[in-house]
Amino acid sequence: GQQLNQSPQSMFIQEGEDVSMNCTSSSIFNTWLWYKQEPGEGPVLLIALYKAGELTSNGRLTAQFGITRKDSFLNISASIPSDVGIYFCAGHDSGAGSYQLTFGKGTKLSVIP
Amino acid sequence: TAGITQAPTSQILAAGRSMTLRCTQDMRHNAMYWYRQDLGLGLRLIHYSNTAGTTGKGEVPDGYSVSRANTDDFPLTLASAVPSQTSVYFCASSSQGSTDTQYFGPGTRLTVL
Repeated sequence: GQQLNQSPQSMFIQEGEDVSMNCTSSSIFNTWLWYKQEPGEGPVLLIALYKAGELTSNGRLTAQFGITRKDSFLNISASIPSDVGIYFCAGHDSGAGSYQLTFGKGTKLSVIP
Repeated sequence: TAGITQAPTSQILAAGRSMTLRCTQDMRHNAMYWYRQDLGLGLRLIHYSNTAGTTGKGEVPDGYSVSRANTDDFPLTLASAVPSQTSVYFCASSSQGSTDTQYFGPGTRLTVL
């Protein structure tokens, strides 16, 4: 089945630093999604990408859909303490004929004030 | 609007007992999903429903059953709970299947002893 490798697994950064995380897939996806999960809550959608090469921003967050359609990255600029959480990538292959998303295992972000 | 609600918030259950986790959405989304989240394994799909009256198996369906009698509700039943079903369970919904974004509920923390 499809697999997503998300890295890094965890990060400790100083407040104000930029953050970068990425996901790579063993197969092609038509949609890439990035979610953030805070403790005790469900994942919340941050950015959705629908076209290869697409670069989309949401405030201090920027995500890109890789040209090969097998990877995506998420950047967070000028991190702040409320950026703490687990970030998940997810991909969908509409050609597979299902509605299922494949999720990465998450990147746990800790921000040191 | 409430979005997606899940009940109960948490539960401790004796092994061998049955339990139904409830999920209700008020967004009139066609598709609904049940995931379990375990440390180091990320989010894994248990069952899904593309529309009322239909259901499908996800990555880890064994020991779980679902029904979709109407658009709003998607209960998950454990017929005879086992300790390996200790997890945090998330319900999600989307309006056009996975090519659209999935919105998650707050989760149910289940402990099976």
